[in-house]
Amino acid sequence: GENVEQHPSTLSVQEGDSAVIKCTYSDSASNYFPWYKQELGKGPQLIIDIRSNVGEKKDQRIAVTLNKTAKHFSLHITETQPEDSAVYFCAARGFGNEKLTFGTGTRLTIIP
Amino acid sequence: DAGVIQSPRHEVTEMGQEVTLRCKPISGHNSLFWYRQTMMRGLELLIYFNNNVPIDDSGMPEDRFSAKMPNASFSTLKIQPSEPRDSAVYFCASSLTSEAFFGQGTRLTVV
Repeated sequence: GENVEQHPSTLSVQEGDSAVIKCTYSDSASNYFPWYKQELGKGPQLIIDIRSNVGEKKDQRIAVTLNKTAKHFSLHITETQPEDSAVYFCAARGFGNEKLTFGTGTRLTIIP
Repeated sequence: DAGVIQSPRHEVTEMGQEVTLRCKPISGHNSLFWYRQTMMRGLELLIYFNNNVPIDDSGMPEDRFSAKMPNASFSTLKIQPSEPRDSAVYFCASSLTSEAFFGQGTRLTVV
């Protein structure tokens, strides 16, 4: 089955700086890669996703890049703000499969 | 839409008791997922349904766990008998296309 590894497990950045979280996946058939943000006491919420036919996608301060050859994808947050502090999860899903496999999460702390 | 609704939000029960967690998916969604979240194992998929039919239950840890989806608007996850190692946050999620929408979760504590 699919295996998703996520690094780092914790990340602290100064407000206004950029944050990068990286994930690798094992199944070359995976074609959908979402990123979820989980705030304390809440369920994960989708913030951005990318499909295997695209190398990069951007939404305001958030961007995701995908390298299919290397089987890794990354989340980039620019101009970080205190409200970006949360746990972030990457995930991967194969074609024709509803099943999402999640990474282990990154606790991001923005230092004011 | 109010989103995915789970109940109860918190449950404390004694070892050996039966626990039932409930989920109302977003109206119109045709896939429903049950996840368990722990510090040690992260987010694990337990089971998912498509059009009310269980598709993959390979993540259900033991026979003590069972899940049902009697109709498109309701699902239950039952643990009988419960054990302290079942303590976790249980999430229900639903989807129609790609995006999975999660509920607020049920924090289960088995003492």
